[in-house]
Amino acid sequence: DGGITQSPKYLFRKEGQNVTLSCEQNLNHDAMYWYRQDPGQGLRLIYYSQIVNDFQKGDIAEGYSVSREKKESFPLTVTSAQKNPTAFYLCASRQTGDTEAFFGQGTRLTVV
Amino acid sequence: AQSVSQHNHHVILSEAASLELGCNYSYGGTVNLFWYVQYPGQHLQLLLKYFSGDPLVKGIKGFEAEFIKSKFSFNLRKPSVQWSDTAEYFCAVPLGRSARQLTFGSGTQLTVLP
Repeated sequence: DGGITQSPKYLFRKEGQNVTLSCEQNLNHDAMYWYRQDPGQGLRLIYYSQIVNDFQKGDIAEGYSVSREKKESFPLTVTSAQKNPTAFYLCASRQTGDTEAFFGQGTRLTVV
Repeated sequence: AQSVSQHNHHVILSEAASLELGCNYSYGGTVNLFWYVQYPGQHLQLLLKYFSGDPLVKGIKGFEAEFIKSKFSFNLRKPSVQWSDTAEYFCAVPLGRSARQLTFGSGTQLTVLP
C-alpha cells in the first residue's frame, strides 16, 4: 500500500532532550511537509521540502530542524530550544504542481 | 501577508440542518483550494479540491464548495448534515513563493447532534 508512515505514534521526552520524529513516504512525491497541530490553531507549517537536499522554513521553524537526504524520508528533530514542544505533529507529502497533499497518522509528542 | 482564514471555530448543528463553513484567503494570484476533514482519531483526508473550471466543486459524502474569486472565498456546504459528519474541517491554499507553502486555516470543529 502506498502512503505516509509516521513513527512513533506516541513519544515522551524529558525536558532538555532532542527528539527525532520519522516520516517516510512511498508515493514518489517530491514535496514533503511538517505541521504542528494545536487545539484551536489548526495546522501550522514548520518546514517543507520541494526536492532532496533542499528545505525551507515555514511559519514556526524556531526550535526545529529537518533533513532531506532521501526523497522518501523527511525526519523532524524537535530540539531543546523549542519552548513548547508538546503537540501533535503531522507529516504530509504531495507531488509538485496542482495536487493535493496526503497525510500520515501523526505523532503525539509529550514533554515530561 | 498571505493567509487563510476560517472564521467559524466551532459550529453545532442538529441532524438534517444545512451547513456552510467559511474560508477566505489573501493571495492575488491563481489559487488552488482544498478542504480537508479530520474525523475523530483519524488522519486528515481530502474532502474536495478546486484547480480551475467550474467554481462549484463537489466532493465526497455530499459536500460541495464554491469558489468566488471576487470575494477570495471558498466556502464549504452540505444541504443536510448527519451525525457522522462530526469532525474538524480545514481549508488549505498553497501560498508563498511559487505557491509552495501549503497553508491551512485554523480549522472549524463541527458537532452534529443526533
